[in-house]
Amino acid sequence: QVQLVQSGSELKKPGASVKVSCKASGYTFTSYAMNWVRQAPGQGLEWMGWINTNTGNPTYAQGFTGRFVFSLDTSVSTAYLQISSLKAEDTAVYYCARDSLSIAVAGTGDWFDPWGQGTLVTVSS
Amino acid sequence: QSVLTQPPSVSGAPGQRVTISCTGSSSNIGAGYDVHWYQQLPGTAPKLLIYGNSNRPSGVPDRFSGSKSGTSASLAITGLQAEDEADYYCQSYDSSLSGHWVFGGGTKLTVL
Repeated sequence: QVQLVQSGSELKKPGASVKVSCKASGYTFTSYAMNWVRQAPGQGLEWMGWINTNTGNPTYAQGFTGRFVFSLDTSVSTAYLQISSLKAEDTAVYYCARDSLSIAVAGTGDWFDPWGQGTLVTVSS
Repeated sequence: QSVLTQPPSVSGAPGQRVTISCTGSSSNIGAGYDVHWYQQLPGTAPKLLIYGNSNRPSGVPDRFSGSKSGTSASLAITGLQAEDEADYYCQSYDSSLSGHWVFGGGTKLTVL
């Protein structure tokens, strides 16, 4: 079955970097775009952006440019989110979520399914 | 401040019907873009509940239904059950400079 499995929780100090992985299985990885979604403690969902898994081209939402980088390793069907110069306000659960429609036909009507289980990143001194 | 507005909380007794609204604008729902709904049970990842305004994925009970009209959408849950207690989020596409995909702020459903 289609599944996304993320890496485990991370505890980092301010100023450090973190790399979260999202391993896909059960489908052709390069056929579907991957999204990243942030959920701060007690808060709602916030779309961070997406990466075209066919071309590797990332698109970042406003507020997620500069310190946030999406990348891929297609040989192991894995997407990555790297956050540098971590701040306390980066503390959140980060989810990867697959586009519902293949890249070839994707458009404005897409939804996200499935989602990874989430990775808690805690930034504290 | 979310681009899509949802009530922070709703509640209902077992067996009752509740609705959750999702209000947008002319750059998202009002522009004709589809609305999708997710259910997030405590401590778990969001799960797709309704896609394309009113379609249920396989495995989602028909107690859940979605609709859209104008600049708003609604999620209705009938025959409320204790296991429905969760956070619910709407999502749509936004054509403004604020970004592509946008979520509502979420609604906490409490089953009394």
